[in-house]
Amino acid sequence: GIQVEQSPPDLILQEGANSTLRCNFSDSVNNLQWFHQNPWGQLINLFYIPSGTKQNGRLSATTVATERYSLLYISSSQTTDSGVYFCAAEGMDTGRRALTFGSGTRLQVQP
Amino acid sequence: DTGVSQNPRHKITKRGQNVTFRCDPISEHNRLYWYRQTLGQGPEFLTYFQNEAQLEKSRLLSDRFSAERPKGSFSTLEIQRTEQGDSAMYLCASSYRGLSNEQFFGPGTRLTVL
Repeated sequence: GIQVEQSPPDLILQEGANSTLRCNFSDSVNNLQWFHQNPWGQLINLFYIPSGTKQNGRLSATTVATERYSLLYISSSQTTDSGVYFCAAEGMDTGRRALTFGSGTRLQVQP
Repeated sequence: DTGVSQNPRHKITKRGQNVTFRCDPISEHNRLYWYRQTLGQGPEFLTYFQNEAQLEKSRLLSDRFSAERPKGSFSTLEIQRTEQGDSAMYLCASSYRGLSNEQFFGPGTRLTVL
């Protein structure tokens, strides 16, 4: 099945700094999603982005499907951005609808 | 529009007991998924339903685990003869059959097996 790798595993930023999180995947994808997991465990949808570029406020994401990677940009980070960010992909295997998650990037934004 | 809901939110049980979790998907979603997440890891897929049909099960879903989705609405996940290794967060997600298969997750059920 598809493999998903995220980097860096941990990131510490000062409030106001910018950051880039990377997600590499091993196969063509039907679906690629970015999530933020809050301290209570809830996975919050950030982007559905199997290809192209999207922006939502201070967050944006780009997926280059032909090169099998996706990037999540966080600008002007705030302490509320802290948490774990997951990339998850659904490979193009026929009939397989499950998401395969990376190990996550743990982000800590310090005031 | 309510999101995916899961009950209970927390469950503490003794080893060897049976437990059952419930998931109510977003109302118009016909696909439903169960995932398990252990500390420090990303969620791992367990099983997937389209309407009432269970279409896929992962190798993680041992014989002690069973999932149902009667009438294609809510789903239940039962674990029989729980073991300490079953302690994890159990997450449910749903999606709508269409060009996009964007999955939306519930808040999870945290299981602790003593």
